Amino acid sequence: AQKVTQAQTEISVVEKEDVTLDCVYETRDTTYYLFWYKQPPSGELVFLIRRNSFDEQNEISGRYSWNFQKSTSSFNFTITASQVVDSAVYFCALGRRPNTGNQFYFGTGTSLTVIP
Amino acid sequence: KAGVTQTPRYLIKTRGQQVTLSCSPISGHRSVSWYQQTPGQGLQFLFEYFSETQRNKGNFPGRFSGRQFSNSRSEMNVSTLELGDSALYLCASSPVSGGYNEQFFGPGTRLTVL
Repeated sequence: AQKVTQAQTEISVVEKEDVTLDCVYETRDTTYYLFWYKQPPSGELVFLIRRNSFDEQNEISGRYSWNFQKSTSSFNFTITASQVVDSAVYFCALGRRPNTGNQFYFGTGTSLTVIP
Repeated sequence: KAGVTQTPRYLIKTRGQQVTLSCSPISGHRSVSWYQQTPGQGLQFLFEYFSETQRNKGNFPGRFSGRQFSNSRSEMNVSTLELGDSALYLCASSPVSGGYNEQFFGPGTRLTVL
């Protein structure tokens, strides 16, 4: 069975602090895809990043970075020098191999509040 | 390009009624997925439609159904509403169907069942 766990329900940080959002996944598939989405107060989820199971390279995009470790089944997300605009709910998701259609498993989300 | 649109944005119903929600995907997108979002449960997958066919279905009772039209627009229907159906219903579209797809989400329909 597939499962995504985001153990941190809510996190509060002061602006300019770094923060890491944890994501642990379970799957027996050898090919799978991991995603992070951001849901600001307006409600629409916005795609941030996708990784496939064969690419363990870390990724950095501006203040955002992602650490994918198959050995620990984790795909953690770090925001450096957080800003108030980063306040949102962040979801980690697992996608199965291509021929199973759009079958995604989302974690319960981590609500991040950045205090000015 | 216009984003994913969902109508209505807010809906109030009473127990036992039925409701139909609508989703218009991004132009050219053929896959539409529906999710139920509730506090503490995150996003739970309802179903996916691709080229007018249901491709995947989540673990929801048969009261939840959907369909997709030839223009890729999709509707979701919930019959015999229960209090526990109160949630934000999100629609997402992607160009094709597959677990590698980035999904584009709509703003959601907030359903309240009284």
